[in-house]
Amino acid sequence: ELKVEQNPLFLSMQEGKNYTIYCNYSTTSDRLYWYRQDPGKSLESLFVLLSNGAVKQEGRLMASLDTKARLSTLHITAAVHDLSATYFCAVLRNTGTASKLTFGTGTRLQVTL
Amino acid sequence: NAGVTQTPKFRVLKTGQSMTLLCAQDMNHEYMYWYRQDPGMGLRLIHYSVGEGTTAKGEVPDGYNVSRLKKQNFLLGLESAAPSQTSVYFCASSILWPAQNTGELFFGEGSRLTVL
Repeated sequence: ELKVEQNPLFLSMQEGKNYTIYCNYSTTSDRLYWYRQDPGKSLESLFVLLSNGAVKQEGRLMASLDTKARLSTLHITAAVHDLSATYFCAVLRNTGTASKLTFGTGTRLQVTL
Repeated sequence: NAGVTQTPKFRVLKTGQSMTLLCAQDMNHEYMYWYRQDPGMGLRLIHYSVGEGTTAKGEVPDGYNVSRLKKQNFLLGLESAAPSQTSVYFCASSILWPAQNTGELFFGEGSRLTVL
């Protein structure tokens, strides 16, 4: 059974600081995704990481994937208040008959002024 | 630009009542999913469908039934609601798995269900 673990679960950081969110998963996967969720809202896709060594960047967020270590990171550079949200990683496995996405528990990020 | 639409958005039920959540997508996606989201537990897959007329169980299927009579619709039913089913329910859809596609899921806005 695929397990996806994120840490930390909660992160309070000051504006302007850097930090990294970690996503570990237990078995080989086909794709890894990062999603953002604002309170009371749906999930918004941030990044899709397709292969070992993949790195994607959008603004102050950068995601990377190490399939050998079964680890993905989401790095936040010079945080701003607008980045406050919950971030989920999710791992996709193709079982041959279906593709299933398993989510981590989420990291709630609070950026303070 | 409707994407994935869920109805209703909010519902309060009494224990033992039944209800159906409707998910509709206009992107011609083959795959559809129902997830539930509970505090501190991320999203957990309830049921999914790989095409019209097909359904399959996810991680937490007990107490729920689903149907996919039309490609664009995926219904989630609770026959006898229990307080443990208080949650936010998300529907999602994606294109059929081709090697070059990202497999990205598109989510609806969620349905908040409270069972008293």
